[in-house]
Amino acid sequence: DSGVTQTPKHLITATGQRVTLRCSPRSGDLSVYWYQQSLDQGLQFLIQYYNGEERAKGNILERFSAQQFPDLHSELNLSSLELGDSALYFCASSDDPDIPQDTQYFGPGTRLTVL
Amino acid sequence: AQKITQTQPGMFVQEKEAVTLDCTYDTSDQSYGLFWYKQPSSGEMIFLIYQGSYDEQNATEGRYSLNFQKARKSANLVISASQLGDSAMYFCAMQGGSYQLTFGKGTKLSVIP
Repeated sequence: DSGVTQTPKHLITATGQRVTLRCSPRSGDLSVYWYQQSLDQGLQFLIQYYNGEERAKGNILERFSAQQFPDLHSELNLSSLELGDSALYFCASSDDPDIPQDTQYFGPGTRLTVL
Repeated sequence: AQKITQTQPGMFVQEKEAVTLDCTYDTSDQSYGLFWYKQPSSGEMIFLIYQGSYDEQNATEGRYSLNFQKARKSANLVISASQLGDSAMYFCAMQGGSYQLTFGKGTKLSVIP
């Protein structure tokens, strides 16, 4: 158990819908990262937040957005869902992202299926 | 830009034998970290081991060791005394100045009884 929690574990929805994925980081970690794992794209970085502020953006679609709240939990919002958005979405957390040796610990993931 | 290459899509190893999973990387960063993660069929990503670019000694964590050859830009994972529970996908990743992890495509390891 990494200490990172993600809900829900599974999500099945239809095209065009909007969903919210939730993540709580490990106790003491200020930084949260979101990753998408799909069969064709592999593991891709989406976005990073540090202490409530957006820090870095990766291959995140405009239909996707995220935020980190004062209690440090984070939410990833996916809207106008398409079949290709079906993937495993991971949240990871770390305590000091300013050093390369900072280890990111991953949550169990949310498996999103868009029908 | 950072790039991780894992050239072995799948590997087989006999139980109790050692196995090496290959990873090469490319980066222009001087300071970076290299990581290995394990993903069992259940889907979670489990951190295994870390190696810093300035570390002179190879990292070890229990049965896991990282064979770091900086000049060759390789960071191979060695698993000793393989167990059936080691069957999983293994991902090599690196983190440099951009903070995000860049992952390789992974190697599927199957341990044969």
